[in-house]
Order: sequence, then C-alpha cells, then structure tokens
Amino acid sequence: AQTVTQSQPEMSVQEAETVTLSCTYDTSESNYYLFWYKQPPSRQMILVIRQEAYKQQNATENRFSVNFQKAAKSFSLKISDSQLGDTAMYFCAFTPPGNTPLVFGKGTRLSVIA
Amino acid sequence: DTGVSQDPRHKITKRGQNVTFRCDPISEHNRLYWYRQTLGQGPEFLTYFQNEAQLEKSRLLSDRFSAERPKGSFSTLEIQRTEQGDSAMYLCASSGDRDSAFFGQGTRLTVV
Repeated sequence: AQTVTQSQPEMSVQEAETVTLSCTYDTSESNYYLFWYKQPPSRQMILVIRQEAYKQQNATENRFSVNFQKAAKSFSLKISDSQLGDTAMYFCAFTPPGNTPLVFGKGTRLSVIA
Repeated sequence: DTGVSQDPRHKITKRGQNVTFRCDPISEHNRLYWYRQTLGQGPEFLTYFQNEAQLEKSRLLSDRFSAERPKGSFSTLEIQRTEQGDSAMYLCASSGDRDSAFFGQGTRLTVV
C-alpha cells in the first residue's frame, strides 16, 4: 500500500523568511507523481507544485521549490520569502501514473507571522 | 471555465435522512474524483470515474453511499440514512488524462 507521511503537524515562520515542510512516502512503483497542495482556511485545495519521479531536476514555481530525493523517498517543500497569504494547511500527495486517485498525507498547518 | 463547482456548499441534515451532492468538473476533464475530509486530516479517496464509468470505490464507501456520473459530465454523491459519522467535508476533483487534479470548494455536511 502506498502511504504518505507528514511528520510536522504545525509550523510557523516569520514573514519574508524561508520554511521547509517535510514529506516522506512509501511505494514500490518506479514511476509516479508527487504534489504539494495548499488549503487556506475555509477555502479550496489549490495545487502548489508537481514533481514527476522520472525527472531528476527539482520542480520550482516562483517562491515554491521542492527537494526530491527518490532513493530516500523524500519530497520536501521550500517556501521562500514567506507571505501572510501562505498561511494554510499544506498537503503532500502521491499518485502512480494513469491519473489514479491521490494518496494524501495528514497535512502540515503553516502559520506565517507578521 | 470557472473550475470545479460543488453544490451545496453546506448541508445540515438530521440523522437518518438522505442527502445528495453535486459536482460539475472542468469541462474538458474526463476524470472525476470524490474525497472525504474530516477535521485535521488529509482527504481520503472515496470513488472515481473516467467519463461515465466508475472505475474504483474505496472500502470507505459503505453501501449507504452511491455515486453516479451520467453522460460523463456532472456527478452526484448520495448518502442514504445519514449517520453522525458521515459529518465531513466532501471534496470533488477533476483531471484530464495527463493533468494534475483540480479541486472544488467542497460540500460541508453536518449530521445532527
């Protein structure tokens, strides 16, 4: 069975600082996709970034970047220059190829402090 | 296209009543997923469709739950004889063949 583990239930960061959220996963698949989703309070789930396992280069989207370590099955999210609007639950998710359903971690609640 | 749309946003029902939720996916997306999310947890997969075919159902989906996607467009999720344990946020998402999944705003169900 595929599992996703987020070991940090809550984190906080000062505005403009950098924060890293951790995620590990377990799978026997060799190819798959990894995602970070953001869920602001009382708002919908938004895709932050996506990584394809066969690509060695780490994905980046503006202030968001990942550190993908395939051998260690680790997929952390780095948020640079944190903004108040980054306050949200962040979920790490996994899926094998074929657009099968996502498997989510339990999430990390991030608070950005002014 | 305005994204994935879910209706209603909130539903309060008495235990034992039936409820039905609707999801309208992004128009060009052929895959549609239903998830359930309880407070402080990540979304848990319930079921998904490719076009009108229901391809997979989770063990979480008891006999009281049924989902349809007639004509491969919108989908409905019905819960019969609701129980207090059904209280949760029900999320719908859609994707194309090689796309990431995009989520709706969810339907929050409260069973009293």
